[in-house]
Amino acid sequence: EAQVTQNPRYLITVTGKKLTVTCSQNMNHEYMSWYRQDPGLGLRQIYYSMNVEVTDKGDVPEGYKVSRKEKRNFPLILESPSPNQTSLYFCASSTVAGVYEQYFGPGTRLTVT
Amino acid sequence: LAKTTQPISMDSYEGQEVNITCSHNNIATNDYITWYQQFPSQGPRFIIQGYKTKVTNEVASLFIPADRKSSTLSLPRVSLSDTAVYYCLVGERDGTASKLTFGTGTRLQVTL
Repeated sequence: EAQVTQNPRYLITVTGKKLTVTCSQNMNHEYMSWYRQDPGLGLRQIYYSMNVEVTDKGDVPEGYKVSRKEKRNFPLILESPSPNQTSLYFCASSTVAGVYEQYFGPGTRLTVT
Repeated sequence: LAKTTQPISMDSYEGQEVNITCSHNNIATNDYITWYQQFPSQGPRFIIQGYKTKVTNEVASLFIPADRKSSTLSLPRVSLSDTAVYYCLVGERDGTASKLTFGTGTRLQVTL
């Protein structure tokens, strides 16, 4: 089954404790992206990657890092999480030609206390 | 990227047809119109995409007038499970896009 998986689905952590949210897709997609969703603000893009070893900032990259060492994986790293990073995070993937037809993961709900 | 405007919310009864209109006055020649559906606590899901006239799939229909300054997503005979947020997006489909810009969408509530 074609899908995007994220782990963990739920995470409660404390300020400053480094964490990684994993994202993996099995559709051989070149394009992958991370979004955060907050009430009243909609979905905002954090980082995206057009292919392996190619990443770029989205609209809200501050406080986040990403890497794309393999085509299927695109982890999101929070080096020093802060409470304002409490949010619902989504990973998505698509072909480069079909960025408007993205497949989204189930989401990771992160709470930073 | 063309800006889109949609109603914040809509209500419908089960079994009715629901039409959600999106305004995109500044749509560019190469832009396509794409709609996503998002259920609570789930990721958005691609529903339909079109350039002009009418597109239909197993989920919905998309009507686009000749001037392309608006579009209407039509959901036939909605059920309770169609309760979701629907997003209209406008942009190029040819590989030059790097991101999707989601607005706040239209929250559809279907009741018995």
